[in-house]
Formats: sequence, structure tokens, C-alpha cells
Amino acid sequence: EAQVTQNPRYLITVTGKKLTVTCSQNMNHEYMSWYRQDPGLGLRQIYYSMNVEVTDKGDVPEGYKVSRKEKRNFPLILESPSPNQTSLYFCASSLTWDGYGYTFGSGTRLTVV
Amino acid sequence: GDSVTQMEGPVTLSEEAFLTINCTYTATGYPSLFWYVQYPGEGLQLLLKATKADDKGSNKGFEATYRKETTSFHLEKGSVQVSDSAVYFCALILRAGGSQGNLIFGKGTKLSVKP
Repeated sequence: EAQVTQNPRYLITVTGKKLTVTCSQNMNHEYMSWYRQDPGLGLRQIYYSMNVEVTDKGDVPEGYKVSRKEKRNFPLILESPSPNQTSLYFCASSLTWDGYGYTFGSGTRLTVV
Repeated sequence: GDSVTQMEGPVTLSEEAFLTINCTYTATGYPSLFWYVQYPGEGLQLLLKATKADDKGSNKGFEATYRKETTSFHLEKGSVQVSDSAVYFCALILRAGGSQGNLIFGKGTKLSVKP
């Protein structure tokens, strides 16, 4: 089944403790992206990647890192999480970046206390 | 800047009612337009899309037409079902310039359909 898999689905952590949210897709998509969803703010792009070893900042990149060492994986790294990073995170992938349509993962609900 | 505005929710309808969710956009270039749906506890699913003016996207009884003259992409369905209860997001991507591949979303409209 074609899908984007995120792990974990739920995570509660403490301020400052490094964490990684994994994202993997099995569709051989070139393009991958991370979004966060917050009440009243909608979804906002954090980082995106056009291909292996090519990543760039989205609208809200502060406090996050990403890497794209393999085509299928695009982990989101929070080096020192803070409470304002409490959010619902979505990974997405697409064959092309400009109109094909994205496939989203099921989401990771992160709480930083 | 580029943005999407969609009608505030929540929208509550009875089964078999007609649905319209308004969406308008502001874009510096020529965008592709999308509607995504998010069912409770799930990720977003692409519902339909249109990539050029006057295109009509359709899926599962939902339709939307890309109107460049009014910068709109309103979602419609002739007869809603309880299973259509979800949050609906209008979104755009600029096909040139800007942050490549950045889906710019509206804030979402929550639809509740009652039996």
C-alpha cells in the first residue's frame, strides 16, 4: 500500500530533550515536506526537500532540523524542544512539487512540557 | 503575500443537503489549487485539484472550479452524507517562484452532517 509512515503517533517529552520524528514513504517520491498544524493558524511548512541531500527552509523552520540521506526517509529533528513546539506534525510526499498532490502521513502529536 | 481564505466554520447540515464551502486566494503567480479533507484523528487526504483556469476538479461527488477572474475555488456537493463529516482545507501551490512546493492552506472548515 502506498503510504507515508510517521512515528511515533504520540509523544510527550520534556523541554530540552532531543527527539526525532521519523517519516518514510514507499512511493519513490522526489519531494518531501514537514508541516505543523496549530489551532487558529492552520498548517504551516517547516522544511522541505526536493531530493536526496537537497533541503530548504519553509515558513517556520526555527528550532527544527531535517536531513535527507535517502530518498524514502525525511526525519524531523528537534535538538532542544520547547513548549511552543507542542503541535500536530505532518510529513508529506509528492512525485513532483508543483501540482501532483501530496500524500500525508497520519500525524505526530507532540507535547513538550 | 500569497494566502488562502475560506469560510469560517463550523458548518452543520442535515443529510442530503447541498454543501458549499467558499475559498478565495491571493497569489503572486499562477497557482495550482487543491481541496484536502481531514477525518478525525487522521492525516490530510487529497480530495480534488485543478491546475489551470476553468478546470473543474471532482471526486466522491465533490466539485470545485478554478475561477481565475474571481480568484476562487469553491467546494460543492449536491447531497452530503454523515460520512462527509470532516475538516476541509483549501490550498494552493505556486508553480513558479516562491518557496517551492509550499502548500499554502486556508484555516480549514469543519463540516458536521446530522442524520
